[in-house]
Amino acid sequence: ELKVEQNPLFLSMQEGKNYTIYCNYSTTSDRLYWYRQDPGKSLESLFVLLSNGAVKQEGRLMASLDTKARLSTLHITAAVHDLSATYFCAVGDFGNEKLTFGTGTRLTIIP
Amino acid sequence: EPEVTQTPSHQVTQMGQEVILRCVPISNHLYFYWYRQILGQKVEFLVSFYNNEISEKSEIFDDQFSVERPDGSNFTLKIRSTKLEDSAMYFCASSPRQAHGEQYFGPGTRLTVT
Repeated sequence: ELKVEQNPLFLSMQEGKNYTIYCNYSTTSDRLYWYRQDPGKSLESLFVLLSNGAVKQEGRLMASLDTKARLSTLHITAAVHDLSATYFCAVGDFGNEKLTFGTGTRLTIIP
Repeated sequence: EPEVTQTPSHQVTQMGQEVILRCVPISNHLYFYWYRQILGQKVEFLVSFYNNEISEKSEIFDDQFSVERPDGSNFTLKIRSTKLEDSAMYFCASSPRQAHGEQYFGPGTRLTVT
């Protein structure tokens, strides 16, 4: 059974600092997604990572995938308050359609 | 930009009652999903649906749950006899294709069972 772990669960950081959220998964996968969720809202797709070594960047966020280590990272550069949200990684299992979500990382950016 | 829509945004029901949650997926998408998120917890897969039948379901999706695509545009989740533990946010998602296909999520329906 595919298990997905994220850490940290909670992250409070100052504006302007850099930090990384980690997503580990337990079995081989062919796709990994990062989503953002604001309180009471839906899931907004941030990145789709499909191959080993994939790196994608959008603004202050950069995501990478290492399929051999079964690890994805979401790096935040020079954080701003607008990035405060909960971030989920979601992993797809080979041969089936469901996504298994991580526990989420609640990020709070302090001015 | 096309988006997944869900109704109602909030449903309150009494234990033992039936509820139907409605979703309109993006029009050219072929794969449809329901997920749920209990308050403060992670998102959990319930069921996937393709070509008018269930293609995969989780252990959560027991006999009390059913899905239907009644008219080619709506996609519904029915809970036959709600329990307190069914209280959660229910998200519908759709995808243009299986695997490698990004899943687009709707805004969710908050179900409160009293």
